[in-house]
Amino acid sequence: AQSVTQLDSQVPVFEEAPVELRCNYSSSVSVYLFWYVQYPNQGLQLLLKYLSGSTLVKGINGFEAEFNKSQTSFHLRKPSVHISDTAEYFCAVPPAWGSQGNLIFGKGTKLSVKP
Amino acid sequence: DGGITQSPKYLFRKEGQNVTLSCEQNLNHDAMYWYRQDPGQGLRLIYYSQIVNDFQKGDIAEGYSVSREKKESFPLTVTSAQKNPTAFYLCASTIPGGTVYGYTFGSGTRLTVV
Repeated sequence: AQSVTQLDSQVPVFEEAPVELRCNYSSSVSVYLFWYVQYPNQGLQLLLKYLSGSTLVKGINGFEAEFNKSQTSFHLRKPSVHISDTAEYFCAVPPAWGSQGNLIFGKGTKLSVKP
Repeated sequence: DGGITQSPKYLFRKEGQNVTLSCEQNLNHDAMYWYRQDPGQGLRLIYYSQIVNDFQKGDIAEGYSVSREKKESFPLTVTSAQKNPTAFYLCASTIPGGTVYGYTFGSGTRLTVV
């Protein structure tokens, strides 16, 4: 089955510390990969996306993600977080090549940045 | 600027009442989606539409209805048959075949049963 797994439902971290939010996908999906961010009581906003090319993708607000085909992962990282990064983060992938369907979302990871 | 507008931001429903959530986009996108969000459950697809006058049920369509009479508009009605409607509702859109490019989301409507 096509799936996206976000391994951590909640990640607490202190301000200025590094953070990694983990995302693994099933190998049957097409390898376009997305990270979205959702601030409290707001919609989802595209953080970054991997379509092809360099496996290291840079996004907004200093975030980056690395596509690792052998490990079927697309982990999101930031070297130094701020209080304003407190939000929920969603990993998403399209369905497998040749199949109809909609974007598949992970269940989200809540990042809580503490002073 | 183009985008998706959801209204109202907050909505209160009495027991047994139908309510309609508005979603309007000026992105010229063909495909539109409705998601429900509950704490800890991620996004669950309610309905989607790939083209005007056509729509399909998602994973949790029971108790909801939609229409797609115009390309720009995809309203969602939460009927009295939906027994637990309190949630955050998100509308999204994309271009044809745009699943590979991602979706654009509205800012959401929070529905509360009173």
